[in-house]
Amino acid sequence: GEDVEQSLFLSVREGDSSVINCTYTDSSSTYLYWYKQEPGAGLQLLTYIFSNMDMKQDQRLTVLLNKKDKHLSLRIADTQTGDSAIYFCADGSDDKIIFGKGTRLHILP
Amino acid sequence: DTAVSQTPKYLVTQMGNDKSIKCEQNLGHDTMYWYKQDSKKFLKIMFSYNNKELIINETVPNRFSPKSPDKAHLNLHINSLELGDSAVYFCASSQAGGDNEQFFGPGTRLTVL
Repeated sequence: GEDVEQSLFLSVREGDSSVINCTYTDSSSTYLYWYKQEPGAGLQLLTYIFSNMDMKQDQRLTVLLNKKDKHLSLRIADTQTGDSAIYFCADGSDDKIIFGKGTRLHILP
Repeated sequence: DTAVSQTPKYLVTQMGNDKSIKCEQNLGHDTMYWYKQDSKKFLKIMFSYNNKELIINETVPNRFSPKSPDKAHLNLHINSLELGDSAVYFCASSQAGGDNEQFFGPGTRLTVL
């Protein structure tokens, strides 16, 4: 069946860029998403990219999609302590959405 | 063994009816959530319960009422269904602590005619 994989942990120094990677298996994806989960909160949509796009930039966030390799990445420029959270990659197609297990981003001082 | 299960998987009903969607998790988690997935597949959180107590309640019409009989169950009851309620509803659970991984149910597709 379809699957979404991402690394579980990432540590980055404050001010550096964070890059969170994700791979998916579904060939019929329509949208690919990044959700953020902060402590005590539910999932919040961070950004998304349509499957026929290669890149999307939104302020400090850059999403890159390599559809051939089924690889999605999220780059956070100038990482701040407030970026500390779990980031979920998700693959949406037809009537379903499949989530990765989340990458816990830890910010080092 | 299904970790987070929802019933029914599909629900088709007339406008104005009252319906419930059930969610159960066998992971021993303390926190459960309900999300609504809109037409663009975005998930929006509706409610969160921790140990049967409501901790998150986003701007959701009063017609939606979550009920948690115990910490393994969080049911969603919807009164006076409207056409705009048609969506896929996802239940999820996580360990308490707020920043733990969420496990999602398979979703319930609600169609209001």
